[in-house]
Amino acid sequence: AQRVTQPEKLLSVFKGAPVELKCNYSYSGSPELFWYVQYSRQRLQLLLRHISRESIKGFTADLNKGETSFHLKKPFAQEEDSAMYYCALWSSGSARQLTFGSGTQLTVLP
Amino acid sequence: GAGVSQSPSNKVTEKGKDVELRCDPISGHTALYWYRQSLGQGLEFLIYFQGNSAPDKSGLPSDRFSAERTGGSVSTLTIQRTQQEDSAVYLCASSLVQPFQETQYFGPGTRLLVL
Repeated sequence: AQRVTQPEKLLSVFKGAPVELKCNYSYSGSPELFWYVQYSRQRLQLLLRHISRESIKGFTADLNKGETSFHLKKPFAQEEDSAMYYCALWSSGSARQLTFGSGTQLTVLP
Repeated sequence: GAGVSQSPSNKVTEKGKDVELRCDPISGHTALYWYRQSLGQGLEFLIYFQGNSAPDKSGLPSDRFSAERTGGSVSTLTIQRTQQEDSAVYLCASSLVQPFQETQYFGPGTRLLVL
């Protein structure tokens, strides 16, 4: 069965510091991975997909199949980055499922 | 144009009653998704539609849950014989064509409370 692990429930960094939100997965097939974000009192948003290799709001995430990781990174955190971040894995095999991690609440301190 | 809308925005019901939640996707979007967000379970994916078809229903939590989509537009999520553990925010999203290959646009959610 597939699983997504976000080991940090809470993460605080200072404005201007680099930030990395960790995501590890277990899946026997070829993974498709996503990061979702939910700002306070706003709708959930899809932040980025590994397949498109986008950089959204300065965030990037690289799929590392060797380490089975898809960590989200930003070199200089901003206060407006404070939000809940969810990593998710899509399996397109016999059971088409999207599995979420438990989420990381990021707080960027002034 | 209008974004994804959901109704009702809030629903309070008694245990054992049936509820129906509605999602209006962005016009022209063929992919539609249902998620659930609760304190106990976090964020869960329930089901997606490609057009009117749901290729996989295994994400629905139990056989009390069902979803349908007609005319490639509006979708309803029905929960029969509601239980207290069904209390959650139910989110709907839509995207243009290919499920999970494009940006998803989320609705505001329906907050369901089962007493």
